[in-house]
Amino acid sequence: GQQVQQSPASLVLQEGENAELQCNFSSTATRLQWFYQHPGGRLVSLFYNPSGTKHTGRLTSTTVTNERRSSLHISSSQTTDSGTYFCAIDRASSSFSKLVFGQGTSLSVVP
Amino acid sequence: NAGVIQTPRHKVTGKGQEATLWCEPISGHSAVFWYRQTIVQGLEFLTYFRNQAPIDDSGMPKERFSAQMPNQSHSTLKIQSTQPQDSAVYLCASSLVRYAEQFFGPGTRLTVL
Repeated sequence: GQQVQQSPASLVLQEGENAELQCNFSSTATRLQWFYQHPGGRLVSLFYNPSGTKHTGRLTSTTVTNERRSSLHISSSQTTDSGTYFCAIDRASSSFSKLVFGQGTSLSVVP
Repeated sequence: NAGVIQTPRHKVTGKGQEATLWCEPISGHSAVFWYRQTIVQGLEFLTYFRNQAPIDDSGMPKERFSAQMPNQSHSTLKIQSTQPQDSAVYLCASSLVRYAEQFFGPGTRLTVL
């Protein structure tokens, strides 16, 4: 089956520092999404980014499909960025349409 | 747009009881998904509907879990004879079309005592 590996598993930043979260996957992805989850909160879609680079605010997602990797860059981190970030992929086929999630990167931003 | 709605937010059942979880997808979305989240297993796919039809239930435990989508505005996940290992957060998601961005509801936290 498909595998999604995220690194690092956890990360502690000082407020204002930048972070780079990595996602590697074992098969070609048709859909790739990055999600954020605050403890006890819902999964919030950050990016739907099966290829290329996308920006929103202080966040940048870059997916290189043929290298089976994606990254999420957080610039000038804030304490409110603390939480868990998930990468999820699926592969298009006639019947395969489910997201497979990585184990997440737990980010803690301290003042 | 209220987003995906799930009820109840929390449910506590005794071992052996039945639990029914509800999901209202975003209006106009044709694909509805159910996932389960636990600390140990992480996020796991359960089942998927497209235009109300069941398409893929490969993640569903076969014996006690069932899901339905009687109309385009709601889906239910039913767990019969709940067991402590069923304790998890059950998440519903919807997307506009089959391979589009998925949007998640807040989840139902099921606790089986």
